[in-house]
Amino acid sequence: GAGVSQSPSNKVTEKGKDVELRCDPISGHTALYWYRQSLGQGLEFLIYFQGNSAPDKSGLPSDRFSAERTGGSVSTLTIQRTQQEDSAVYLCASSLGPSRNTIYFGEGSWLTVV
Amino acid sequence: AQRVTQPEKLLSVFKGAPVELKCNYSYSGSPELFWYVQYSRQRLQLLLRHISRESIKGFTADLNKGETSFHLKKPFAQEEDSAMYYCALRNDYKLSFGAGTTVTVRA
Repeated sequence: GAGVSQSPSNKVTEKGKDVELRCDPISGHTALYWYRQSLGQGLEFLIYFQGNSAPDKSGLPSDRFSAERTGGSVSTLTIQRTQQEDSAVYLCASSLGPSRNTIYFGEGSWLTVV
Repeated sequence: AQRVTQPEKLLSVFKGAPVELKCNYSYSGSPELFWYVQYSRQRLQLLLRHISRESIKGFTADLNKGETSFHLKKPFAQEEDSAMYYCALRNDYKLSFGAGTTVTVRA
Protein backbone atom coordinates (compact mmCIF):
# COMPACT_ATOMS: atom_id res chain seq x y z
CA GLY A 1 0.00 0.00 0.00
CA ALA A 2 0.91 3.66 -0.10
CA GLY A 3 1.67 3.93 3.57
CA VAL A 4 1.63 2.12 6.89
CA SER A 5 -1.93 1.08 7.63
CA GLN A 6 -3.32 0.42 11.10
CA SER A 7 -6.62 -0.91 12.35
CA PRO A 8 -8.80 -0.20 14.16
CA SER A 9 -8.31 3.55 14.15
CA ASN A 10 -10.31 3.80 17.36
CA LYS A 11 -11.13 1.18 19.97
CA VAL A 12 -13.03 1.53 23.21
CA THR A 13 -12.83 -1.51 25.45
CA GLU A 14 -13.80 -2.44 28.96
CA LYS A 15 -11.16 -2.92 31.60
CA GLY A 16 -10.09 -6.54 31.73
CA LYS A 17 -10.83 -7.34 28.09
CA ASP A 18 -8.19 -8.31 25.52
CA VAL A 19 -7.53 -6.18 22.44
CA GLU A 20 -5.68 -6.77 19.19
CA LEU A 21 -4.22 -3.98 17.10
CA ARG A 22 -3.14 -4.63 13.54
CA CYS A 23 -0.42 -3.09 11.41
CA ASP A 24 0.19 -3.44 7.67
CA PRO A 25 3.64 -2.03 6.90
CA ILE A 26 4.72 -0.56 3.59
CA SER A 27 5.29 -3.37 1.11
CA GLY A 28 8.90 -4.57 1.13
CA HIS A 29 9.77 -3.02 4.47
CA THR A 30 11.59 -5.57 6.61
CA ALA A 31 11.80 -3.48 9.77
CA LEU A 32 8.66 -2.87 11.81
CA TYR A 33 8.20 -0.96 15.05
CA TRP A 34 5.48 -0.37 17.62
CA TYR A 35 5.44 2.81 19.67
CA ARG A 36 2.98 4.15 22.23
CA GLN A 37 2.01 7.81 22.37
CA SER A 38 0.34 9.07 25.53
CA LEU A 39 -0.08 12.34 27.37
CA GLY A 40 2.77 12.89 29.73
CA GLN A 41 4.82 10.00 28.36
CA GLY A 42 5.55 11.18 24.86
CA LEU A 43 6.52 8.51 22.33
CA GLU A 44 7.66 5.26 23.91
CA PHE A 45 9.34 2.46 21.98
CA LEU A 46 7.63 -0.89 22.52
CA ILE A 47 9.10 -3.49 20.15
CA TYR A 48 11.15 -3.89 16.97
CA PHE A 49 10.81 -6.61 14.34
CA GLN A 50 13.31 -7.49 11.66
CA GLY A 51 11.44 -9.87 9.41
CA ASN A 52 9.39 -12.10 11.68
CA SER A 53 11.86 -11.95 14.55
CA ALA A 54 11.73 -9.47 17.42
CA PRO A 55 15.32 -8.85 18.54
CA ASP A 56 14.23 -6.00 20.81
CA LYS A 57 11.15 -6.30 22.99
CA SER A 58 12.60 -4.13 25.72
CA GLY A 59 9.84 -1.52 25.63
CA LEU A 60 6.87 -3.81 26.27
CA PRO A 61 5.50 -2.50 29.60
CA SER A 62 4.40 -5.83 31.06
CA ASP A 63 3.73 -9.45 30.20
CA ARG A 64 0.17 -8.45 29.28
CA PHE A 65 1.65 -7.01 26.09
CA SER A 66 2.77 -9.22 23.23
CA ALA A 67 3.31 -8.84 19.50
CA GLU A 68 3.90 -11.05 16.54
CA ARG A 69 4.66 -10.64 12.90
CA THR A 70 3.89 -13.15 10.18
CA GLY A 71 5.08 -13.51 6.60
CA GLY A 72 7.47 -10.65 7.13
CA SER A 73 4.50 -8.35 6.77
CA VAL A 74 1.46 -7.90 9.03
CA SER A 75 1.99 -7.42 12.74
CA THR A 76 -0.45 -7.71 15.61
CA LEU A 77 -0.02 -6.10 19.02
CA THR A 78 -2.09 -7.83 21.70
CA ILE A 79 -2.91 -6.39 25.08
CA GLN A 80 -4.44 -8.83 27.55
CA ARG A 81 -6.57 -7.87 30.53
CA THR A 82 -6.50 -4.21 29.59
CA GLN A 83 -6.09 -1.58 32.28
CA GLN A 84 -7.00 2.10 32.19
CA GLU A 85 -3.33 3.07 32.03
CA ASP A 86 -3.14 1.25 28.68
CA SER A 87 -5.23 4.02 27.13
CA ALA A 88 -3.01 5.64 24.49
CA VAL A 89 -2.37 5.88 20.78
CA TYR A 90 -0.44 2.87 19.50
CA LEU A 91 1.71 3.72 16.52
CA CYS A 92 3.18 1.30 14.05
CA ALA A 93 6.10 2.22 11.82
CA SER A 94 8.19 0.53 9.17
CA SER A 95 11.37 1.04 7.20
CA LEU A 96 13.23 -0.68 4.37
CA GLY A 97 15.90 -1.88 6.73
CA PRO A 98 17.09 -1.43 10.27
CA SER A 99 19.38 1.55 9.79
CA ARG A 100 19.98 4.50 7.48
CA ASN A 101 16.44 4.19 6.12
CA THR A 102 13.58 6.54 6.80
CA ILE A 103 11.04 5.26 9.33
CA TYR A 104 7.44 5.83 8.23
CA PHE A 105 4.58 5.93 10.71
CA GLY A 106 0.97 4.87 10.52
CA GLU A 107 -1.90 7.00 11.74
CA GLY A 108 -2.19 5.02 14.94
CA SER A 109 -4.83 3.09 16.83
CA TRP A 110 -6.45 5.14 19.58
CA LEU A 111 -7.23 2.82 22.49
CA THR A 112 -9.51 3.88 25.32
CA VAL A 113 -10.00 1.54 28.27
CA VAL A 114 -13.09 2.33 30.34
CA ALA B 1 22.35 5.54 27.34
CA GLN B 2 20.84 7.86 24.76
CA ARG B 3 18.51 10.66 25.69
CA VAL B 4 16.75 13.45 23.81
CA THR B 5 15.59 16.56 25.63
CA GLN B 6 13.15 19.14 24.34
CA PRO B 7 12.91 21.72 27.11
CA GLU B 8 9.87 23.56 25.76
CA LYS B 9 6.48 21.83 25.90
CA LEU B 10 4.67 24.78 24.34
CA LEU B 11 5.83 27.52 22.02
CA SER B 12 3.64 30.33 20.75
CA VAL B 13 4.80 32.79 18.11
CA PHE B 14 3.23 35.34 15.81
CA LYS B 15 3.03 34.76 12.08
CA GLY B 16 6.14 36.10 10.40
CA ALA B 17 8.26 35.87 13.55
CA PRO B 18 11.24 33.57 13.82
CA VAL B 19 10.79 30.28 15.62
CA GLU B 20 13.40 28.05 17.24
CA LEU B 21 12.70 24.69 18.84
CA LYS B 22 15.43 23.43 21.10
CA CYS B 23 16.73 19.90 21.17
CA ASN B 24 19.63 18.53 23.16
CA TYR B 25 20.85 14.97 23.17
CA SER B 26 23.19 12.68 25.01
CA TYR B 27 24.75 9.82 23.13
CA SER B 28 28.15 8.19 23.32
CA GLY B 29 28.55 7.42 19.63
CA SER B 30 28.04 9.35 16.42
CA PRO B 31 24.39 10.37 16.44
CA GLU B 32 21.86 10.36 13.66
CA LEU B 33 19.28 13.04 14.43
CA PHE B 34 15.86 13.82 13.06
CA TRP B 35 12.93 16.18 13.44
CA TYR B 36 9.47 14.67 13.04
CA VAL B 37 6.27 16.71 12.81
CA GLN B 38 2.67 15.79 13.56
CA TYR B 39 -0.03 18.11 12.22
CA SER B 40 -3.49 17.98 13.73
CA ARG B 41 -5.21 14.66 12.95
CA GLN B 42 -2.33 13.51 10.74
CA ARG B 43 0.35 10.89 11.10
CA LEU B 44 3.83 11.54 12.39
CA GLN B 45 6.07 12.39 9.45
CA LEU B 46 9.74 13.06 8.91
CA LEU B 47 10.61 16.75 8.56
CA LEU B 48 14.42 16.79 8.57
CA ARG B 49 17.39 14.50 9.08
CA HIS B 50 20.75 15.95 9.93
CA ILE B 51 22.70 14.01 7.34
CA SER B 52 20.64 15.55 4.53
CA ARG B 53 21.54 19.13 5.52
CA GLU B 54 18.50 20.38 3.62
CA SER B 55 15.77 22.92 4.23
CA ILE B 56 12.23 21.59 4.30
CA LYS B 57 9.23 23.97 4.44
CA GLY B 58 11.70 26.72 5.36
CA PHE B 59 12.99 24.80 8.40
CA THR B 60 16.65 24.08 8.99
CA ALA B 61 18.51 22.28 11.76
CA ASP B 62 22.22 22.14 12.40
CA LEU B 63 23.91 19.47 14.41
CA ASN B 64 26.28 21.01 16.96
CA LYS B 65 28.33 18.19 18.42
CA GLY B 66 30.13 20.51 20.85
CA GLU B 67 26.87 21.62 22.43
CA THR B 68 25.13 18.29 21.69
CA SER B 69 22.25 20.19 20.15
CA PHE B 70 20.06 19.93 17.07
CA HIS B 71 17.82 22.96 17.24
CA LEU B 72 15.11 23.49 14.60
CA LYS B 73 14.75 26.98 13.15
CA LYS B 74 12.56 28.89 10.74
CA PRO B 75 13.05 32.60 10.09
CA PHE B 76 9.39 33.43 9.34
CA ALA B 77 6.72 31.23 10.93
CA GLN B 78 3.48 30.53 9.07
CA GLU B 79 0.10 29.52 10.49
CA GLU B 80 0.39 26.13 8.80
CA ASP B 81 3.49 25.44 10.91
CA SER B 82 1.27 24.95 13.96
CA ALA B 83 1.90 21.35 14.96
CA MET B 84 3.65 19.04 17.39
CA TYR B 85 7.39 18.69 16.75
CA TYR B 86 9.53 15.81 17.98
CA CYS B 87 13.29 15.62 17.98
CA ALA B 88 14.60 12.07 17.67
CA LEU B 89 17.91 10.23 17.83
CA ARG B 90 18.58 6.97 16.04
CA ASN B 91 20.85 4.29 17.40
CA ASP B 92 21.16 1.56 14.79
CA TYR B 93 17.50 0.54 14.37
CA LYS B 94 15.76 2.38 17.20
CA LEU B 95 14.40 5.93 17.26
CA SER B 96 14.29 7.60 20.66
CA PHE B 97 12.10 10.67 20.88
CA GLY B 98 12.06 13.80 22.96
CA ALA B 99 8.87 14.76 24.76
CA GLY B 100 7.78 17.03 21.93
CA THR B 101 7.05 20.74 21.53
CA THR B 102 3.63 22.04 20.56
CA VAL B 103 3.98 25.08 18.32
CA THR B 104 1.14 27.53 17.84
CA VAL B 105 1.53 30.26 15.24
CA ARG B 106 -0.88 33.11 15.79
CA ALA B 107 -2.11 35.47 13.09
